Amino acid sequence: EIVLTQSPGTLSLSPGDRATLSCRASQSVSGNYLAWYQERPGQAPRLLIYGASSRSTGIPDRFSGSGSGTDFTLTISRLEPEDFAVYYCQQYGTSLLTFGGGTKVDIK
Amino acid sequence: EVQLVESGGGLVQPGGSLRLSCAASGFALGSYYIHWVRQVPGKGLAWLSRINSDGSVVFYTDSVKGRLTISRDNARNMCFLQMSSLRAEDTGLYYCARGGRATVTDFLDSWGHGTRVTVSS
Repeated sequence: EIVLTQSPGTLSLSPGDRATLSCRASQSVSGNYLAWYQERPGQAPRLLIYGASSRSTGIPDRFSGSGSGTDFTLTISRLEPEDFAVYYCQQYGTSLLTFGGGTKVDIK
Repeated sequence: EVQLVESGGGLVQPGGSLRLSCAASGFALGSYYIHWVRQVPGKGLAWLSRINSDGSVVFYTDSVKGRLTISRDNARNMCFLQMSSLRAEDTGLYYCARGGRATVTDFLDSWGHGTRVTVSS
């Protein structure tokens, strides 16, 4: 099973700031099959990024994904009020999918 | 519009059983992999199980193997999660989610709103 470690656990920022979230895998993620999800309170998770860097339909271009192998990054270029949420990475390169522990982006 | 609606959650005693259902609309369920994911407040998301398009291949995370059984009825556009020998640590919000048409596209692009399971005496 691939273990995904997200850092930091909490990121305290202000609207307009740039957010950089990290996801590190215990072994190389096959095909860079790495996705990012956003979870807002009381809402279902929403797919943001798949294939490490492809934005899902309707996702604003302030969200971008990068990385390969074992190190991946989600960047939010300028935080909007609705972006304060919890973000999860997930790998789907093996038969047993796994999620990271999440990064909470909260208002400073 | 793609929709997934879970049902069947509730309060159950340790050792008990529940059957969760996931009803799909707006797309042909039979063309996609379906997943179940558990959300525990303070502990994040945990992937539980996956079933392929025709139900012939299933996978489970180790902690639920032997206790959870995933199945599907494509004619009814539904997926199920049979849960048995439930433990307190199975408490959480259970989501079904649509995966891909193949393993290489098996990210979760649509989610239901979840059904809550509480295991307590």
